[in-house]
Amino acid sequence: DGGITQSPKYLFRKEGQNVTLSCEQNLNHDAMYWYRQDPGQGLRLIYYSQIVNDFQKGDIAEGYSVSREKKESFPLTVTSAQKNPTAFYLCASSIPGTADTQYFGPGTRLTVL
Amino acid sequence: EDQVTQSPEALRLQEGESSSLNCSYTVSGLRGLFWYRQDPGKGPEFLFTLYSAGEEKEKERLKATLTKKESFLHITAPKPEDSATYLCAVQEGSQGNLIFGKGTKLSVKP
Repeated sequence: DGGITQSPKYLFRKEGQNVTLSCEQNLNHDAMYWYRQDPGQGLRLIYYSQIVNDFQKGDIAEGYSVSREKKESFPLTVTSAQKNPTAFYLCASSIPGTADTQYFGPGTRLTVL
Repeated sequence: EDQVTQSPEALRLQEGESSSLNCSYTVSGLRGLFWYRQDPGKGPEFLFTLYSAGEEKEKERLKATLTKKESFLHITAPKPEDSATYLCAVQEGSQGNLIFGKGTKLSVKP
């Protein structure tokens, strides 16, 4: 089955720790995205990558980092510099085109203890 | 300034009671408008992409329409399993990233 997988589903972090969220896709999509979702707010773009070894900051990139070494993988690191990391994190992918329909993974819920 | 506004924030319907959800947008050069369904604790599930004013798409009890300033998601004779949050997003011609609204939470009671 083709799709997007995210792991882990739940993640707990102590203050001051960095954590890495995994995102893998086997849809052969070129573009991948990371969003953050908070209650009562729309999805906000953290980082995106249109091609391997290249990525751009989104609207709320501060305190986050990414890499894109393989087409299938786009891990997100939440660093200790992120002030309010507790949120639901969503990864998506798309084929760039006229209008890029994005397909989402199941999400990772990060809680800072 | 909100570029994508969804209304109402929440909607409670009885089973079989048809209604519509609204998504208004203020972007220039619309490349596409997207509707997603999201269940609690899960990722958004893609429903429709609309490209130009006048376009309509249907899937089971859902029908999406698009004008130059807004889109409607019509739900005909809803069932309890249609309960979810419905998200609208637009893609501008200048950059390509999606701009999401805050969603409409739909509850359908039997």
